[in-house]
Amino acid sequence: AQKVTQAQTEISVVEKEDVTLDCVYETRDTTYYLFWYKQPPSGELVFLIRRNSFDEQNEISGRYSWNFQKSTSSFNFTITASQVVDSAVYFCALGWGSGAGSYQLTFGKGTKLSVIP
Amino acid sequence: DTEVTQTPKHLVMGMTNKKSLKCEQHMGHRAMYWYKQKAKKPPELMFVYSYEKLSINESVPSRFSPECPNSSLLNLHLHALQPEDSALYLCASSQDSPFGSPFFGSGTQLSVL
Repeated sequence: AQKVTQAQTEISVVEKEDVTLDCVYETRDTTYYLFWYKQPPSGELVFLIRRNSFDEQNEISGRYSWNFQKSTSSFNFTITASQVVDSAVYFCALGWGSGAGSYQLTFGKGTKLSVIP
Repeated sequence: DTEVTQTPKHLVMGMTNKKSLKCEQHMGHRAMYWYKQKAKKPPELMFVYSYEKLSINESVPSRFSPECPNSSLLNLHLHALQPEDSALYLCASSQDSPFGSPFFGSGTQLSVL
């Protein structure tokens, strides 16, 4: 079964603090994809990153960084020097190919991040 | 153009009404999706279209009827909905896996009275 666990339901930090959002996944597939999406109050799901199962390279994009560790089935997301605009619900998702080029995604329950000025 | 556009943004309908949700993308993506998201819950997959053919139906009730008229458009026809169907309906599209990632629209907030 495909499963994503985001154990942190809500996190509050003061602006400029660093924060790490945890994501643990379960799958028996050898080929899979991991995603992070941001959902601000406006409702749109904003794509942040995708990682393929065969690529454990960590990534940094500005204040955002991601740590993918297959040994612990984790794909954690760190925001450095948080800002009020980072306040949102963040979803980690596990995806796999579902034939004819499409994906199936299963989402974690999300972590609501509040950045306090 | 990197957008998935959904209309309308808000919809209120009675249980006897028939309405449709519309989704459009011009990124050349050949996979399109409908997701349903209840308040404070994660999105759940409803339907997947690949190359304009329905490839996945996640046991969705027949009162929801998807349609893909062409590679850029995806509709969701609604009929005889129940109040528990009230939710945010999200459309997404993607290039062929493993090269692309699903991009989502801003959703249609549906209320069934």
